[in-house]
Amino acid sequence: DTAVSQTPKYLVTQMGNDKSIKCEQNLGHDTMYWYKQDSKKFLKIMFSYNNKELIINETVPNRFSPKSPDKAHLNLHINSLELGDSAVYFCASSQDGFRAFFGQGTRLTVV
Amino acid sequence: DAKTTQPNSMESNEEEPVHLPCNHSTISGTDYIHWYRQLPSQGPEYVIHGLTSNVNNRMASLAIAEDRKSSTLILHRATLRDAAVYYCILRGGSQGNLIFGKGTKLSVKP
Repeated sequence: DTAVSQTPKYLVTQMGNDKSIKCEQNLGHDTMYWYKQDSKKFLKIMFSYNNKELIINETVPNRFSPKSPDKAHLNLHINSLELGDSAVYFCASSQDGFRAFFGQGTRLTVV
Repeated sequence: DAKTTQPNSMESNEEEPVHLPCNHSTISGTDYIHWYRQLPSQGPEYVIHGLTSNVNNRMASLAIAEDRKSSTLILHRATLRDAAVYYCILRGGSQGNLIFGKGTKLSVKP
């Protein structure tokens, strides 16, 4: 069983479109995260979500919005996609704050 | 979050031990030292974490300097599968996010 799963694995879309990436964790963790890894391979935290408390990295454009229908899911919605949004997006979860489990990533390509 | 400094890259031979260094001279008393690795085309994977004492698990050992200003991740016998980018991260207890730096790209030669 995959602990943290993301769908889709690959996403190619045109500029200006709105898209969503889904993330599910079956670990019963309370905290979930979204990270972005750009072409230079830097991993940057975008959001963390714990018990309905959302902590946003202030550098993230408001076109990005996380939505959590329940504790096991944290989806990422992106509006008006731009070329610079092309990256690999990773979802992660953690219970104790010490050990985070990451998904396999979603490679988003905006053309 | 305090900053860490790691070499950009390291090479190792298969079956030999690997010592990956990390400097964190501005570490605070409540900062834990975390290590993650990222294999090619995969998400980051937890390796180990510690506060003051050396730590061992099935993947690796973490040696922490007495003044806590540096630490070393030890892979006892490198395998080809250990080729990855290794990240040393400081985090204040269970709070705060994991802030990834550039990491060390480890290459393992057969």
